[in-house]
Parts: sequence; C-alpha cells; structure tokens
Amino acid sequence: SQQGEEDPQALSIQEGENATMNCSYKTSINNLQWYRQNSGRGLVHLILIRSNEREKHSGRLRVTLDTSKKSSSLLITASRAADTASYFCATDYNQGGKLIFGQGTELSVKP
Amino acid sequence: GAGVSQSPSNKVTEKGKDVELRCDPISGHTALYWYRQSLGQGLEFLIYFQGNSAPDKSGLPSDRFSAERTGGSVSTLTIQRTQQEDSAVYLCASSLGILTEAFFGQGTRLTVV
Repeated sequence: SQQGEEDPQALSIQEGENATMNCSYKTSINNLQWYRQNSGRGLVHLILIRSNEREKHSGRLRVTLDTSKKSSSLLITASRAADTASYFCATDYNQGGKLIFGQGTELSVKP
Repeated sequence: GAGVSQSPSNKVTEKGKDVELRCDPISGHTALYWYRQSLGQGLEFLIYFQGNSAPDKSGLPSDRFSAERTGGSVSTLTIQRTQQEDSAVYLCASSLGILTEAFFGQGTRLTVV
C-alpha cells in the first residue's frame, strides 16, 4: 500500500500538554499535508510542507519533514479540549497530484 | 460557491439499488477527488480528476463504481447494484491545482440496508 502510516493510532493527553503525531511514507513526494477531522465528516487543511522545506509553523502547530527518513511530525503545543479530533497526513507520491491519506491519529485532549 | 457542497447529506438505500452522489466543487478548482471512509477508518482514495486529463480511477473498488465530471465542474459518483459493504461516508474535495491544499465537503453518509 502506498498509504502513509501514522503513529500513534490514538493519543490521550491532558489540556496544556503537547501532542506529537508522526507520519511515515514510502516513496518520494512533492509535498506533505496535514488535515484535521472532527466527528467523521469533512476534513480541514492545517498545513502544507514542501519537500525542500524542513520545518513549518502555523499558530500552535509545528510540522517537520525529514525526507531522508521519509517521515513527518505534527506537534500541537499547549493543547486544548477543542483540539480533540482525528489528524491525517496526506501526500502525492509524485503521482500527478493525487492525494493519498494515512490512517490517522485520534487525539483526545482531556480538560 | 463558498465551499465544496455534497448532496445528499444522508442516503439510505436498499441493497441492489443504484445511487448517485453529487459534488459541487469550489468554482475555479481544477482538481476534484472522491474518497470513501468507513467508520473509524482512514480515507480510501477512489478517483481523481485534474483539468482535462483522463481521470485517475485506480482506487475504484469494483466496476459497480463510476464517476464523471461534467464541464470541469460538478461531479457525480454512481454506485450500481449497491451492497451492504458500500455503506460508508463518501467525501469529495477540490483544489485549485495539483499539489495545493484540498477543500472538503461534509460528505454523504450512505447506508445500504
């Protein structure tokens, strides 16, 4: 399968703690994206990192990309109960733009 | 439009019937994707349209599934002779071009009884 693999599958933390999710992939990519999904419906784009970038920030989010290890991580700092959701990585695998998603990490932030 | 619109939101159908799911992408978006998501699972890629290129149908699970995109805009996903295992949420997304962020609709929850 070309899908990315995310770990952990589930993560439970207390409000205020940091949450780190990892994504590994198998072949070369043009970019890697992270999405969030609440309640099993539409996904919301969080951040896009290109293959020539190593780190990107957006508010409380920090994404890193290590193309030598074919892996990316999403860090959410100072988590809030509202961050409770499923988080997915997605990448194109150099296949003309087709986006392939990983299996996701289910994050639970307890107040 | 303001966002990606999918209809219907929910669909209950009897096994063996055909269903059509509709997706209205954001105006001007050349790329359109369909995914399927079973309860608690990841997104399964179904089909991808990009501009006037031939669609990438590599994810369609069987020949009962087909999709078209008319005039580079609205897309319809058709499932013929539905089976219970087709029950899932079907998600549509569009993007301005390749390698850019995708915007998702709220999905159609299909239940085959």
